[in-house]
Amino acid sequence: QVQLQESGPRLVKPSETLSLTCTVSGGSINGYWWSWIRQSPGKGLEWIGYITHSGNTNYNPTLRSRVTISVDMSKNHFSLSLSSVTAADTAIYYCARSNSGYGQGWFDPWGQGTLVTVSS
Amino acid sequence: EIVLTQSPGTLSLSPGERATLSCRASQSVTSSYLAWYQQKPAQAPRLLIYGASSRATGIPDRFSGSESGTDFTLTISRLEPEDFAVYYCQQYGSSPRTFGQGTKVEIK
Repeated sequence: QVQLQESGPRLVKPSETLSLTCTVSGGSINGYWWSWIRQSPGKGLEWIGYITHSGNTNYNPTLRSRVTISVDMSKNHFSLSLSSVTAADTAIYYCARSNSGYGQGWFDPWGQGTLVTVSS
Repeated sequence: EIVLTQSPGTLSLSPGERATLSCRASQSVTSSYLAWYQQKPAQAPRLLIYGASSRATGIPDRFSGSESGTDFTLTISRLEPEDFAVYYCQQYGSSPRTFGQGTKVEIK
């Protein structure tokens, strides 16, 4: 069965860029849509955005100016970049899969999540 | 964006009891595009229900979902010890996709 694993720095300084990668194993990136979701005590679960297997993206308007999601089909992984971070970006970051197409937007499966702390 | 409001915040019940969790949308959710997830401590959310009432693969039939207009309900017919957790609803009918704030089902 497909499994997702987040990786990247756990500590990021304020004003710098948070970068995470989600590696997909047991299945192909092709044919699905891939999301980043974060969870913080103050804001609960927040969808950050997704990228389709063909590279199209859709971002949450609240984060759009700072977010980039990209995909590397050859490595079977996709990545998140969040710029100009502040303490408010401290959260557990999850990657997750959706089936492709409108109306298929539930998330299953999820990665285990990685806590990223923004602090100097 | 569609705001999802879950109630109650906490539900205190005993094993074997029935749990009824509510998720109210601030506007119509297109084509019943609503999912429910279960989250246990230090774990990622797990999909239970999609399309408002379809159980995900491997989910026991004690979990069921229903809808009435902008009100969605997750029912656990008889609580098992492993069902005590936090439950979230999520809509995917419009962008941005949004989640409710969660309902904690705790042991009474």
